[in-house]
Amino acid sequence: AQSVTQLGSHVSVSEGALVLLRCNYSSSVPPYLFWYVQYPNQGLQLLLKYTTGATLVKGINGFEAEFKKSETSFHLTKPSAHMSDAAEYFCAVSGQGGGNKLVFGAGTILRVKS
Amino acid sequence: EAQVTQNPRYLITVTGKKLTVTCSQNMNHEYMSWYRQDPGLGLRQIYYSMNVEVTDKGDVPEGYKVSRKEKRNFPLILESPSPNQTSLYFCASSIDRASSTDEQFFGPGTRLTVL
Repeated sequence: AQSVTQLGSHVSVSEGALVLLRCNYSSSVPPYLFWYVQYPNQGLQLLLKYTTGATLVKGINGFEAEFKKSETSFHLTKPSAHMSDAAEYFCAVSGQGGGNKLVFGAGTILRVKS
Repeated sequence: EAQVTQNPRYLITVTGKKLTVTCSQNMNHEYMSWYRQDPGLGLRQIYYSMNVEVTDKGDVPEGYKVSRKEKRNFPLILESPSPNQTSLYFCASSIDRASSTDEQFFGPGTRLTVL
């Protein structure tokens, strides 16, 4: 079975500071990895995904993530936080199970302080 | 505009009163899915559908039903709601029923409270 662990249910950074959201996965098959963002009162939207190839993946709004197989990690980073980045972030894995099933982590709420 | 729509967005009901949450997508997607979101648990899949008339259970199907009579619609039915089904529900769709790499497009969510 696949699973995802997100370290830290809440992360707080100052505006302009580095954002680092941690994600570790467990999978017995080559994983496909995703980061989704959920703004208040909205659905989830895709930030970025890793399928195959280059392990450093760039997404929207200046975010990027690096797939590290040896560490089973897929941490999300952004060099400089903006107030508009305040949201909940979900790491997810697919590659097993019925159809396009996504297995989500518990989520990390990012707070950006001015 | 390409989108997934859900109705209603908010619903308060009482135990045992049957309800339906509708989901519709206008992108001609084959795959559709329902998730529930609970604090500290992330999103968990309830049911999914790989095509018209093809549905299957996800991780938490108990107490729910679905149907897929048309490609665009995938309603979630709670025959006899209970308080433990109080949650935030999301419908999602993606292009290809067989691809694990496709982005899933999510609806805006339905917040359900069962008293």
